Amino acid sequence: QKEVEQNSGPLSVPEGAIASLNCTYSDRVSQSFFWYRQYSGKSPELIMSIYSNGDKEDGRFTAQLNKASQYVSLLIRDSQPSDSATYLCAVKKGGTSYGKLTFGQGTILTVHP
Amino acid sequence: EAGVAQSPRYKIIEKRQSVAFWCNPISGHATLYWYQQILGQGPKLLIQFQNNGVVDDSQLPKDRFSAERLKGVDSTLKIQPAKLEDSAVYLCASSSDKTGGGSPLHFGNGTRLTVT
Repeated sequence: QKEVEQNSGPLSVPEGAIASLNCTYSDRVSQSFFWYRQYSGKSPELIMSIYSNGDKEDGRFTAQLNKASQYVSLLIRDSQPSDSATYLCAVKKGGTSYGKLTFGQGTILTVHP
Repeated sequence: EAGVAQSPRYKIIEKRQSVAFWCNPISGHATLYWYQQILGQGPKLLIQFQNNGVVDDSQLPKDRFSAERLKGVDSTLKIQPAKLEDSAVYLCASSSDKTGGGSPLHFGNGTRLTVT
């Protein structure tokens, strides 16, 4: 079982729709969860972080975390063509591991006009 | 603040040659990471430093890869000898984690390595 697994994609949504990206993780001691966006040929950039169960909203982005189900998701409302990118879920362990960050394989999102 | 600096941006070498990458993290960031990202995959952690000590190098192919972080600031990653499967983008990142913190990573622009 992979440590961090994302829905395979690619995901294609029309402009203005809600894009839903999902991620599961295997290690229950994981404490911090991140979503990174990566445009083609560029480095990952952080868009959301979440540390406790529930929802966290930032503009058009909402991250959802359910530690019991070991599940984290990202919703993008009113999707724009500029949101077209690969979205990477990353999970960080706490404690003595100094926060090792493990990435999923990424989900390619395409928002078409 | 200045971001994570990496060089070179691109490198093309033949198999069995050696190559080195350099990284300068954000000032004051104690934790430095080297990731390998093969096309179409997520980044894979190669090595993680806390100041100048190695925290995790479990996925570093130690027969050919080496890394150091002298004085707890700059870091170099070396591959010797390179194989075709080493073709990837090598990403350096840093964070302000002390112990077990949840600080996000800040990535450099990466070095794209092509091994022919």
